Amino acid sequence: QLQLQESGPGLVKPSEALSLTCTVSGGSISSSSYYWGWIRQPPGKGLEWMGSIYYRGSAYYNPSLKSRVTISVDTSKNQFSLKLNSVTAADTAVYYCARRDGNYYYYMDVWGEGTTVTVSS
Amino acid sequence: DIWMTQSPSSLSASVGDRVTITCRASQDIANYLNWYQQKPGKAPKLLIYAASSLQSGVPSRFSGSGSGTDFTLTISSLQPEDFATYCCQQSYTTPYTFGQGTKLEIK
Repeated sequence: QLQLQESGPGLVKPSEALSLTCTVSGGSISSSSYYWGWIRQPPGKGLEWMGSIYYRGSAYYNPSLKSRVTISVDTSKNQFSLKLNSVTAADTAVYYCARRDGNYYYYMDVWGEGTTVTVSS
Repeated sequence: DIWMTQSPSSLSASVGDRVTITCRASQDIANYLNWYQQKPGKAPKLLIYAASSLQSGVPSRFSGSGSGTDFTLTISSLQPEDFATYCCQQSYTTPYTFGQGTKLEIK
């Protein structure tokens, strides 16, 4: 059974970069049928899609994050990663990684449990 | 961006009730509409995709309908484990966007 697990620091200082990794187990990240993405949820608020990546490296992002976000993939480790630059308190959230259907309807069907990141000095 | 508006934002109901939650898109999204259930401290769980297709393993009391801009999620007979927050998501175009959520509480 496919599982996703987020990892990374739980505390990041303002103006620094937030880096998280999602490890995929029970299946290959190199499947042609899926994309892999990041979604976040600030405390008490709704979900925000941040971006997605294909195993070959093509990625697309939420314009609201402008040029701060980068998603990368490491097929040798079956992982993909998120980097968010110049964080502020507004980036405090639970960060989820998820698998996105790549064929037609683009739903997110497998999610990690989420990791809480707090931005504070 | 496509805005997704859910109603109501919260709802009280009893076990056994039939419940309907509505989601409206700010523009035509055909049937690129997905529904998720989220319990406190947990990741969202996919219930319905493509507006009306039941995700594998999801009980048949959940159903979805609609196309274009107006969609509904119906739970035919509420069970204790169904009390959670439900949100819709459009996957018609990026950036993918979510509704603000409907919190379903026990009456």
